[in-house]
Amino acid sequence: RKEVEQDPGPFNVPEGATVAFNCTYSNSASQSFFWYRQDCRKEPKLLMSVYSSGNEDGRFTAQLNRASQYISLLIRDSKLSDSATYLCVVLRGGSYIPTFGRGTSLIVHP
Amino acid sequence: GAGVSQSPSNKVTEKGKDVELRCDPISGHTALYWYRQSLGQGLEFLIYFQGNSAPDKSGLPSDRFSAERTGGSVSTLTIQRTQQEDSAVYLCASSSQGGAGNTIYFGEGSWLTVV
Repeated sequence: RKEVEQDPGPFNVPEGATVAFNCTYSNSASQSFFWYRQDCRKEPKLLMSVYSSGNEDGRFTAQLNRASQYISLLIRDSKLSDSATYLCVVLRGGSYIPTFGRGTSLIVHP
Repeated sequence: GAGVSQSPSNKVTEKGKDVELRCDPISGHTALYWYRQSLGQGLEFLIYFQGNSAPDKSGLPSDRFSAERTGGSVSTLTIQRTQQEDSAVYLCASSSQGGAGNTIYFGEGSWLTVV
């Protein structure tokens, strides 16, 4: 089983839709969690960190479920500009090396 | 510069040649990472530098790959006797220090094509 798993998609949604992605991780010692966004042929960029209590940044909400070992990303009121690949990133406790999922592709269409 | 800088941005090389890829991290960042990403694939960890500590080379795929970091700043990734499967984008990233809670920032990558 891979350390970090994501549904590759693509998720194809209309503008204004709400869409959610999950990411599962295998190592229960994982301590830090992030969502990165990667546009086509560009470098990944931090979208948001994921805190135990959950966190929200505008239209984006991230949540952590330690019991089931997954994190989620919810995007409300999708925009065309949200089209990208969303990478789940996990850092094990005591490790300095983030592990990246393969990403979930989102396509928002008019 | 404000961000992580990588060079060259694109490199086409013949199979069997050696290549060097350079990374200039954000000033003051002690942690530096190399990842590679093949077309349509996820990021594969290669090597990690933290300050003056011995690097974590656990992700290097073969002994053809090596990296160094001089003076705790600029890093060079060297691939010897390149093979076609080495074709990928090589991404360098840095953070203020490694570990939990520290955002890592990526450069734009060096796109390597081995023909």
